[in-house]
Amino acid sequence: DTAVSQTPKYLVTQMGNDKSIKCEQNLGHDTMYWYKQDSKKFLKIMFSYNNKELIINETVPNRFSPKSPDKAHLNLHINSLELGDSAVYFCASSHGTPNQPQHFGDGTRLSIL
Amino acid sequence: KQEVTQIPAALSVPEGENLVLNCSFTDSAIYNLQWFRQDPGKGLTSLLLIQSSQREQTSGRLNASLDKSSGRSTLYIAASQPGDSATYLCASIPYGAGSYQLTFGKGTKLSVIP
Repeated sequence: DTAVSQTPKYLVTQMGNDKSIKCEQNLGHDTMYWYKQDSKKFLKIMFSYNNKELIINETVPNRFSPKSPDKAHLNLHINSLELGDSAVYFCASSHGTPNQPQHFGDGTRLSIL
Repeated sequence: KQEVTQIPAALSVPEGENLVLNCSFTDSAIYNLQWFRQDPGKGLTSLLLIQSSQREQTSGRLNASLDKSSGRSTLYIAASQPGDSATYLCASIPYGAGSYQLTFGKGTKLSVIP
């Protein structure tokens, strides 16, 4: 009964390609997030999204775009991949109130050749 | 802008020892302070969440405290076990953070030696 699932777990691709990472949650949450964990293990928010608003961290390049077909899914599309995009990307979800814990997926390790 | 700092970056202790992990944050206007555990190759598991109006939370051998006035939180682990070995992250949600986005520290990597 995986609560937050991401696919693929590993993604190896070349610079310049376009790729997507999928995320699904079965917890009935109304808010989903994407975080990036860099090579120094620092976790940083990229996006948060519920059915009312998309909030984008100002440091995220516009090559990254989240797409939500429904409340249970928030996919991450990345265009024109660069070497610096290599990282682990985590999806998370929560109820849309601050004092509910966020539940994380196991991450997608993206490696750019 | 909220900044979260965790000290030490790494800690190694013998099994059975009690230990304290430290977290400090620059903006005391927060909804809550959360502690997570991350195992290698895995996502984050929420351990404890302390709301802004609370001073501490306990779960089993774990106790987390929050002092907003000093911008500090501690995670106390009693009678440590090898299975506690992991990276521990603290995070906060500052007021005004859109959709309650978490700001993380860089974590403390804990090794419990049998």
